[in-house]
Amino acid sequence: AQSVTQLGSHVSVSEGALVLLRCNYSSSVPPYLFWYVQYPNQGLQLLLKYTSAATLVKGINGFEAEFKKSETSFHLTKPSAHMSDAAEYFCAVSSGFQKLVFGTGTRLLVSP
Amino acid sequence: DSGVTQTPKHLITATGQRVTLRCSPRSGDLSVYWYQQSLDQGLQFLIQYYNGEERAKGNILERFSAQQFPDLHSELNLSSLELGDSALYFCASSRGGPQETQYFGPGTRLLVL
Repeated sequence: AQSVTQLGSHVSVSEGALVLLRCNYSSSVPPYLFWYVQYPNQGLQLLLKYTSAATLVKGINGFEAEFKKSETSFHLTKPSAHMSDAAEYFCAVSSGFQKLVFGTGTRLLVSP
Repeated sequence: DSGVTQTPKHLITATGQRVTLRCSPRSGDLSVYWYQQSLDQGLQFLIQYYNGEERAKGNILERFSAQQFPDLHSELNLSSLELGDSALYFCASSRGGPQETQYFGPGTRLLVL
């Protein structure tokens, strides 16, 4: 069975600081991995996805993530946080069954 | 705007009642997925349809059912509602493959009183 673990339900950073949101996955088959962002009272928006083409994936809004098979990780980073990045972030894994299995989410707080 | 529409945006009803949530996928998408988001369960996959056929089932209660119509819109029916069914229900659509991006609608917020 597939699963995703997101370490830290809340992460606080200062504006301009590095953002690092952690995601570890478990999958018996090569996974497809996704990061979604959810702003208050909105649906989920795709930030980026890994589909085995390249281990370093660049997404929207300056975010990127690196797939590390040896560590079963897919951490999300952004070099410099902006106030508008404050939201909830979800890591998800998919395989042949296509459904997305989500982590519990990490709320990113950005202070001025 | 993801291109996925859901109606209604909000729904308030009483225990024991039945409601229907509607989803229209993005143009060209054949797959529709339903997810439930609640504080205690997080984001849970309920069910998937592909071109009118049920493709996969997740943690969907027997009181819940869904279908996808020939025009590809989908409906999620929730019956004998309980307080614990209060949640945000999302519909997502994709072209259909496991690597394909699922595009999420804005959700329907259901409150059962």
